[in-house]
Amino acid sequence: SAVISQKPSRDICQRGTSLTIQCQVDSQVTMMFWYRQQPGQSLTLIATANQGSEATYESGFVIDKFPISRPNLTFSTLTVSNMSPEDSSIYLCSVQGAARTRTDTQYFGPGTRLTVL
Amino acid sequence: GENVEQHPSTLSVQEGDSAVIKCTYSDSASNYFPWYKQELGKRPQLIIDIRSNVGEKKDQRIAVTLNKTAKHFSLHITETQPEDSAVYFCAATFTGTASKLTFGTGTRLQVTL
Repeated sequence: SAVISQKPSRDICQRGTSLTIQCQVDSQVTMMFWYRQQPGQSLTLIATANQGSEATYESGFVIDKFPISRPNLTFSTLTVSNMSPEDSSIYLCSVQGAARTRTDTQYFGPGTRLTVL
Repeated sequence: GENVEQHPSTLSVQEGDSAVIKCTYSDSASNYFPWYKQELGKRPQLIIDIRSNVGEKKDQRIAVTLNKTAKHFSLHITETQPEDSAVYFCAATFTGTASKLTFGTGTRLQVTL
């Protein structure tokens, strides 16, 4: 499977500020996704990061709050904007379609633990 | 809409016993069902998956069964060990959603000595 890294691994931020999370893969992948995992909860898909075009957002998530970029096939960013304590969560990227993997199999990055004060 | 239900939410077994986690899904055309294991503070790790053209798949102590008629699939762990303690998530892809996964609510498995 692909090697996936995320930066930062964790951060503590003040309300009203923004944080950009990076996801880097060591090989080209077809699909990249961003998930949120609130404490003790399951994974909720925020959006699909599309290379060269606007991300596709799930119900309840909007571009103004979670702008996403994907400039190439190995990199994506998620920004959490105008943060409030309710945004405290783990944010995970996942990838699909890496070389030598099944096309429908998703692998997750290590996650970014965000705390908003 | 797309929905995956998972039971139980917590499961405690003694070392050496078997553990079974069950999931049901809402879309009869779903065709891919992965299981992830998440240890505390770690990322979800894919442990096994099954596709709709297969009824059962086994990998050492882990097996997954799929009943398409009843729209449910199950994870079976035999000869449980303390290192199996983790949260397990089932997931499914749904028709028209391409690669998107919908996750179950998770099962916290505790293997006691």
